[in-house]
Amino acid sequence: KAGVTQTPRYLIKTRGQQVTLSCSPISGHRSVSWYQQTPGQGLQFLFEYFSETQRNKGNFPGRFSGRQFSNSRSEMNVSTLELGDSALYLCASSWATGGPGNTIYFGEGSWLTVV
Amino acid sequence: AQKITQTQPGMFVQEKEAVTLDCTYDTSDQSYGLFWYKQPSSGEMIFLIYQGSYDEQNATEGRYSLNFQKARKSANLVISASQLGDSAMYFCAMREGEYGNKLVFGAGTILRVKS
Repeated sequence: KAGVTQTPRYLIKTRGQQVTLSCSPISGHRSVSWYQQTPGQGLQFLFEYFSETQRNKGNFPGRFSGRQFSNSRSEMNVSTLELGDSALYLCASSWATGGPGNTIYFGEGSWLTVV
Repeated sequence: AQKITQTQPGMFVQEKEAVTLDCTYDTSDQSYGLFWYKQPSSGEMIFLIYQGSYDEQNATEGRYSLNFQKARKSANLVISASQLGDSAMYFCAMREGEYGNKLVFGAGTILRVKS
């Protein structure tokens, strides 16, 4: 059974550009969440999508957005990139949104460098 | 607000010995889930073990076990028979409430296994 797949794995962007990251969840999983990981701030929740609806959002500016498609695949977009957006972006998938025993699995992450 | 504390920034353990990684949490919710993840230098976040707040038995997954002490709000990870491949960053995380998959992470513990 394939795990959570994130693309691209590595990318370099210039300040002011925008970027789109993609995440394919584990087959059958309908919840996709995104996290940003930086050395200074650690792991921070960005947002969660379930059945194409945003269920929860972290404390990030509006430049960070996401969406989920009918096949549960998700994309996140960051517009007007800043140097501080350089981070590892992790996608997580789960069968349901919340609930006892509902395990959350992560992908390999997308390393974004903004220069 | 929920909070996860991992007080050990770094740990060393001899190969084949057991090691305990500490995690304490703070929540006012009765229903929550606790997760442990392993993150090698590649960045992938690997799920290790899950403990629900209503689970009466400590969770175990192969060489991993969770020492869950609800009254003390601690959820320590025990790795038995350490292997060189266990060298990585380990994160404790909590999902609060019945709904949603937002995880709050601790700062992590770097584990180094010595041969």
